[in-house]
Amino acid sequence: QSALTQPASVSGSPGQSITISCTGTSSDVGAYDYVSWYQQHPGKAPKLMIYDVTNRPSGVSNRFSGSKSGNTASLTISGLQAEDEADYYCSSYTSSYTLVFGGGTKLTVL
Amino acid sequence: QVQLVQSGADVKNPGASVKVSCKASGYTFIISYYIHWVRQAPGQGLEWMGWINPNSGMTDYAQKFQGRVTMTRDTSINTAYIELTSLTFDDTAVYYCARARTTTPLFDYWGQGTLVTVSS
Repeated sequence: QSALTQPASVSGSPGQSITISCTGTSSDVGAYDYVSWYQQHPGKAPKLMIYDVTNRPSGVSNRFSGSKSGNTASLTISGLQAEDEADYYCSSYTSSYTLVFGGGTKLTVL
Repeated sequence: QVQLVQSGADVKNPGASVKVSCKASGYTFIISYYIHWVRQAPGQGLEWMGWINPNSGMTDYAQKFQGRVTMTRDTSINTAYIELTSLTFDDTAVYYCARARTTTPLFDYWGQGTLVTVSS
């Protein structure tokens, strides 16, 4: 199972919006609405930000939103803040009953 | 509160085996949740390794690790384990346990991670 494709890095200024893409195939992202997004700060465990494509866990800011079109899922962060600077990973369920992660995207807040 | 507390860092020689533990608290270990294992090599991304159902003991492993990984649990002490054999330098990574309601990637709680270093 190949990793999902994410841009290596994205950047934005405080207050701006950014979108991180996560491209898979018709056997994973395109097949199920089981895409999650995780935020990871250096030296820390990942934190769930979005699940089932569009849902936010309790306690996660509504500045974070998710969507999907075809084989590509997206994470949008609006009103960028300094604390959003982190690595972001997408993950999807697959038709082989396994899970796969994206390669990760480093978000820099300028 | 829900916590997953993992065992401490370990150093192993190539060819050896390592066993990492993940002790759960704050919820009923054998009801409703799976324990998944995810690893992260230094400076690299996340890699899913598999899951165990603490209630039944049923497991499913990523194909990459088939034959080399074993996930078990001890329900008397609410602890899950992952054992990886025939270690190579490429197995140097932080190993995380994470809780999910199902086999889908909805990991709501994570352990703190365990660094396993393979070094000669």
